[in-house]
Amino acid sequence: DQQVKQNSPSLSVQEGRISILNCDYTNSMFDYFLWYKKYPAEGPTFLISISSIKDKNEDGRFTVFLNKSAKHLSLHIVPSQPGDSAVYFCAATDAGGTSYGKLTFGQGTILTVHP
Amino acid sequence: DVKVTQSSRYLVKRTGEKVFLECVQDMDHENMFWYRQDPGLGLRLIYFSYDVKMKEKGDIPEGYSVSREKKERFSLILESASTNQTSMYLCASSSIRGSPLHFGNGTRLTVT
Repeated sequence: DQQVKQNSPSLSVQEGRISILNCDYTNSMFDYFLWYKKYPAEGPTFLISISSIKDKNEDGRFTVFLNKSAKHLSLHIVPSQPGDSAVYFCAATDAGGTSYGKLTFGQGTILTVHP
Repeated sequence: DVKVTQSSRYLVKRTGEKVFLECVQDMDHENMFWYRQDPGLGLRLIYFSYDVKMKEKGDIPEGYSVSREKKERFSLILESASTNQTSMYLCASSSIRGSPLHFGNGTRLTVT
């Protein structure tokens, strides 16, 4: 039972254009969502997060949008740079419950930004 | 800056061996986690711990056990390694409920 789904295994974008990565979730208890970026041979690093009380959060070139009614979130990267090429994981947690901060991850999307 | 250190980057073990994966964090975090990453499956939680000597099963605990005798150290144990446990193993820690997890660089385990 995949509670967090990233249905696009890969995405290819030209440098300077927008990258949009999508994520869907099924568990209504999730109230805090995060995006992680992972380079080969390294651990995932935290990128940006959003609480369920918001519908948008920005940090520089990265913006995360949350649509609670659709149980959908997306990560926008504008403008995309070759250094953004990595695997992006969406994650979710029930921050207000007894999850102790454990995250449920999606399958990941491989982003390739071409010069 | 938080540092999560995994003792080995690469390990090759034989089927049936007992395997220990070690993880140490230097930020006095209460919570520690073990995930495995497989292509097409993302990161899946094996076990986590919210305090010394406390542990909880994650989504895929079968074939694994854990030990947390000190706050900074969290060990993953494969009691009898099998080929389907060939994977990338990632340790993580966090300070409070819902705060971003900080990951180590992973251990690539191959069981032959």
